[in-house]
Amino acid sequence: RKEVEQDPGPFNVPEGATVAFNCTYSNSASQSFFWYRQDCRKEPKLLMSVYSSGNEDGRFTAQLNRASQYISLLIRDSKLSDSATYLCVVNMGGNKLVFGAGTILRVKS
Amino acid sequence: DGGITQSPKYLFRKEGQNVTLSCEQNLNHDAMYWYRQDPGQGLRLIYYSQIVNDFQKGDIAEGYSVSREKKESFPLTVTSAQKNPTAFYLCASSTQGGELFFGEGSRLTVL
Repeated sequence: RKEVEQDPGPFNVPEGATVAFNCTYSNSASQSFFWYRQDCRKEPKLLMSVYSSGNEDGRFTAQLNRASQYISLLIRDSKLSDSATYLCVVNMGGNKLVFGAGTILRVKS
Repeated sequence: DGGITQSPKYLFRKEGQNVTLSCEQNLNHDAMYWYRQDPGQGLRLIYYSQIVNDFQKGDIAEGYSVSREKKESFPLTVTSAQKNPTAFYLCASSTQGGELFFGEGSRLTVL
């Protein structure tokens, strides 16, 4: 089993749609979690950290489910500019930061 | 400006040659990382270092080597033992909380 797994998609959604991605992780002791966004041929950029209590930043909401060992990212009111690859990152312990394979989102008008 | 500087941005190498990718940071971060990305795939961890003079293998360390003689620098050598070295290589450093800051990457092509 991979340490961090994501559904690769692609998710094709119309503008204004709500879309959600999940990311599962294997190490129950993992303590920190993040969502990154990567545009084509660019380096990843931090979208948001994921806190135990969940957190929201505008149209984006991240949640952590420790019991089932997954994190989620919800995007409301999708914009064309949200089209990108979304990567989850898990600290597996000892600062070993492991990425999922990424989920491709395509928002269409 | 604080950040991560990778060089070169593009590199071509013949089979059988070693090549070293540079990564420098001025963010005063202790931890640094090297990832490899192949087309249409996620980032895979090659090596990481939590402190000067110490580093650990990631998931795909075979055919690569690193050093961490200075806090600011974490060069990666792609050796001739790496069977499929053509890829996009990303260097990063992280805060204590685990937030990663990336360089712009180095694209290596083996001819």
